[in-house]
Amino acid sequence: GAGVSQSPSNKVTEKGKDVELRCDPISGHTALYWYRQSLGQGLEFLIYFQGNSAPDKSGLPSDRFSAERTGGSVSTLTIQRTQQEDSAVYLCASSLQGGSETQYFGPGTRLLVL
Amino acid sequence: AQSVTQLGSHVSVSEGALVLLRCNYSSSVPPYLFWYVQYPNQGLQLLLKYTSAATLVKGINGFEAEFKKSETSFHLTKPSAHMSDAAEYFCAVSDRGQAGTALIFGKGTTLSVSS
Repeated sequence: GAGVSQSPSNKVTEKGKDVELRCDPISGHTALYWYRQSLGQGLEFLIYFQGNSAPDKSGLPSDRFSAERTGGSVSTLTIQRTQQEDSAVYLCASSLQGGSETQYFGPGTRLLVL
Repeated sequence: AQSVTQLGSHVSVSEGALVLLRCNYSSSVPPYLFWYVQYPNQGLQLLLKYTSAATLVKGINGFEAEFKKSETSFHLTKPSAHMSDAAEYFCAVSDRGQAGTALIFGKGTTLSVSS
């Protein structure tokens, strides 16, 4: 079956611009996670959605970062006024219900802020 | 707070040799533990996970890991390395006490396999 998909695969933007990154989870998975992978910080949790509950935003590094999940499926991560330190690979994962359920990762979006 | 330490950012082995990637965790409650592998320009793939059943966990591609509570360790092993095992490996922990918590990852270990 189809795995987690993310788009775009690569994004180059200029400092100060806004970007939107999309994640399409595995059908039927109620839990969705965003992570960031960068050279200096490794893999960091950003935000987590579970069903219709309020998202866990505890990992978002600043108020320039936001995410939404429409209809319990597709999610969009938005970064406003991008900075060079936002350059990283943004990974999305989904799991059936959360908890100990396996998280399945997408291929990521590689963001470069010039 | 939970944390994961992977000892050795880079491990090199010869083809056919034993692979040992070290992971130690810190958690105030019994954890869930995971090993993921990442091949170049790809997402993460689950190798195996520990969720309190058997302490020796077998995963894909011949890998296994043993949960040792007394040592707070979850080291990953494979008896005989293949060239195709060259990749980056991440150990991760999540909090058993909460549903749907995020994974806390170690910094990763890059495995190189030489012929």
